[in-house]
Amino acid sequence: QITLKESGPTLVKPTQTLTLTCTFSGFSLSSTGVGVGWIRQAPGKALEWLALIYWNDDKSYSPSLKSRLTITKDTSKNQVVLTMTNMDPVDTATYYCAHTGRHCSSANCYTDWGQGTLVTVSS
Amino acid sequence: QSALTQPASVSGSPGQSITISCTGTSSDVGGYNYVSWYQQHPGKDPKLMIYDVSNRPSGVSNRFSGSKSGNTASLTISGLQAEDEADYYCSSYRSSRIGVFGTGTKVTVL
Repeated sequence: QITLKESGPTLVKPTQTLTLTCTFSGFSLSSTGVGVGWIRQAPGKALEWLALIYWNDDKSYSPSLKSRLTITKDTSKNQVVLTMTNMDPVDTATYYCAHTGRHCSSANCYTDWGQGTLVTVSS
Repeated sequence: QSALTQPASVSGSPGQSITISCTGTSSDVGGYNYVSWYQQHPGKDPKLMIYDVSNRPSGVSNRFSGSKSGNTASLTISGLQAEDEADYYCSSYRSSRIGVFGTGTKVTVL
């Protein structure tokens, strides 16, 4: 059974850096074709794709947020970390991590999702 | 990064069929056979319903089907049921291993 869980602060101040950790089980991020992505959803809004890291350490970022995002993996700990700098109230959202590589492995295809973590940006 | 365009809402009566469109460009929907569809109930995480344009993951009802023509992808729900009432999002691969989501469609079962 594949599970993913996001963890990190629920409240950050403007200009601070957000660090979120995705801890997963049931798959290995060293297996060919496997990736973990981050997607967010502002309250009442649509899903927004943020970043993706693959088993071979290939990384991709949303062009509009690329300068603020960093995604890394720790295969031995089964974790993926997303950092986002210079947080702003408009970044208030539920942040999800998700797994690709079970039925498909493209950047837009995620078969398994975490429950999401709500991050509020406010002073 | 512009989102894919979906209708804000679609409704239908139980038993009917509805279709949700998802319009992109030749750089995403039209350029690759990598379109996915997600169902999201309120307060829940998204669920993959269709991948690679028309494939269903195991466990997804065959009432859900996907297709694509040019820069527009479509999700059809046949035999509409009350449990299908949810938000639906399309997603496409875009060049350089980037993903993009649609604006979302609220499906209402009348």
